Amino acid sequence: GNSVTQMEGPVTLSEEAFLTINCTYTATGYPSLFWYVQYPGEGLQLLLKATKADDKGSNKGFEATYRKETTSFHLEKGSVQVSDSAVYFCALREGGSEKLVFGKGTKLTVNP
Amino acid sequence: AAGVIQSPRHLIKEKRETATLKCYPIPRHDTVYWYQQGPGQDPQFLISFYEKMQSDKGSIPDRFSAQQFSDYHSELNMSSLELGDSALYFCASSLGGENIQYFGAGTRLSVL
Repeated sequence: GNSVTQMEGPVTLSEEAFLTINCTYTATGYPSLFWYVQYPGEGLQLLLKATKADDKGSNKGFEATYRKETTSFHLEKGSVQVSDSAVYFCALREGGSEKLVFGKGTKLTVNP
Repeated sequence: AAGVIQSPRHLIKEKRETATLKCYPIPRHDTVYWYQQGPGQDPQFLISFYEKMQSDKGSIPDRFSAQQFSDYHSELNMSSLELGDSALYFCASSLGGENIQYFGAGTRLSVL
């Protein structure tokens, strides 16, 4: 079945550090890929998405590139801020299916 | 902009009781999804509805049922509650054909 594997946290960084959160997927077809962010006590917010190979999603300084050859969708940010502290979920949606399949989530803490 | 509204935000029930969770999608959205997120876990897809018809089904227990009404709001009914049902329940909505699910803030259910 479809699955998403992302690096386990927690990840702790200092402000302005570079962030990478790895995400790889297994799917039978060509899924759409997403990164969602969950701030403490809140729901899931879409951060960025990519729908086909080599697409790059970007938002708020975060980027991820859909790599079909490595089945990956790693999240990166060049300079993190304290306000980026949250849990980040990588997810996929297979064509023909309604559901999102999530990874286990990675908790990021950014210290001043 | 209007978002997905879920009520109640918090719910406390005893074992074997019933609970009803409500979800009001973003205006004009015709598809709703329900997810369950256990403590420290990733969200798991339960069920979805498009135009008041069930469109996909995931790991939803037989004790649970859901429906979508003519105004597109949805309700998740949970009976014979068990301790393991304690979780955050998310509703998401989308506009048919769009590949993005917008999540509500969730209902936190505690079963004592």
